[in-house]
Amino acid sequence: EPEVTQTPSHQVTQMGQEVILRCVPISNHLYFYWYRQILGQKVEFLVSFYNNEISEKSEIFDDQFSVERPDGSNFTLKIRSTKLEDSAMYFCASKYGDGSNQPQHFGDGTRLSIL
Amino acid sequence: QQPVQSPQAVILREGEDAVINCSSSKALYSVHWYRQKHGEAPVFLMILLKGGEQKGHEKISASFNEKKQQSSLYLTASQLSYSGTYFCGTEGGSEKLVFGKGTKLTVNP
Repeated sequence: EPEVTQTPSHQVTQMGQEVILRCVPISNHLYFYWYRQILGQKVEFLVSFYNNEISEKSEIFDDQFSVERPDGSNFTLKIRSTKLEDSAMYFCASKYGDGSNQPQHFGDGTRLSIL
Repeated sequence: QQPVQSPQAVILREGEDAVINCSSSKALYSVHWYRQKHGEAPVFLMILLKGGEQKGHEKISASFNEKKQQSSLYLTASQLSYSGTYFCGTEGGSEKLVFGKGTKLTVNP
């Protein structure tokens, strides 16, 4: 069964450094998302992406965050200058089409640890 | 506005039943249920669409009461593999899912 893949599985970075999290969504999916989950808390929406542009973003997704789909397969999340509070599990998700009946499929996540 | 899940935690013995509720103060288009095991990704279970439908998936089923903006997840004859945290994600007309805080289900032998 096709799945969303994320790399790396764990990223350790010094505060203030840039980090790029990578995702390969399911190949025929058109809608892409990033969520984050602070340890022990709920999953929070960061950003949605469709047709090569951001369709919606949350308050968390400030100027330090950016997303890109550099080619036909990868979808990346960049944090320009990381803060301690960015430490979390970051999940990429994708879905095939629009509409409320389409499930979002999640990758296994990247655990980001900021020192 | 995030949906409210109840209860926060449930402990069952294998074979027992459980109900997890998810309610929203905002009009919903759909409710998505996920199960997450510790250290893993949320795994999609099912979607309930507005229209008050019910769905079943083996011994796990769910309902969506559009008038009450509430969804319930029913787990019958629970198995050890059902243990995990169950999240409802609500969709209110945009593409994003807003998740509740989760219900931790523990099934003991």
